[in-house]
Amino acid sequence: AQSVSQHNHHVILSEAASLELGCNYSYGGTVNLFWYVQYPGQHLQLLLKYFSGDPLVKGIKGFEAEFIKSKFSFNLRKPSVQWSDTAEYFCAVNLVGSSNTGKLIFGQGTTLQVKP
Amino acid sequence: GAGVSQSPSNKVTEKGKDVELRCDPISGHTALYWYRQSLGQGLEFLIYFQGNSAPDKSGLPSDRFSAERTGGSVSTLTIQRTQQEDSAVYLCASSLGQAYTGELFFGEGSRLTVL
Repeated sequence: AQSVSQHNHHVILSEAASLELGCNYSYGGTVNLFWYVQYPGQHLQLLLKYFSGDPLVKGIKGFEAEFIKSKFSFNLRKPSVQWSDTAEYFCAVNLVGSSNTGKLIFGQGTTLQVKP
Repeated sequence: GAGVSQSPSNKVTEKGKDVELRCDPISGHTALYWYRQSLGQGLEFLIYFQGNSAPDKSGLPSDRFSAERTGGSVSTLTIQRTQQEDSAVYLCASSLGQAYTGELFFGEGSRLTVL
């Protein structure tokens, strides 16, 4: 079955540190890729997405992600984190095909704690 | 409203009781999804609606779970004879349609606790 793996479950960083969260998926076909974020007490919201084109995608709040097809990866990065980036981050995949329903397959999530 | 609305926000029930969770999607969004978020488990897909029909029910964990959508708008997720393992946050999301080019918009969820 198709799956999404996020290798880091809990990450603790100091402000200004660089961030990279790993995401790998298992599916041989075409995919759309997403990172969602859930700030404490808030609902899930889209951080960035990749459908096609430039594999380096820029999102809100200085986040970016790189799609590496050969590695089935879509890692999230930010050069310098802030305390306000404390949140849970979810990688998600949509399988493109004739039966595409727009359903997203989510990873387990990574909790990021940024210390001031 | 402007966003996806879910009710109740919190529900505590006793094992064996039935519960209903409601989702009111963004106006004009034809696609509606239910997910379940358990601690350390990420988001688990339950069911997808396009209009009032549910072409993908593959994620419903057992026949105790059912969902319907009426008028292409409000959806209700029903859990019969609740069990403790049903405790989770149930999330609803909507999007513009089956020709998927956009994002899912999530509600704040209904937290279910089964005692």
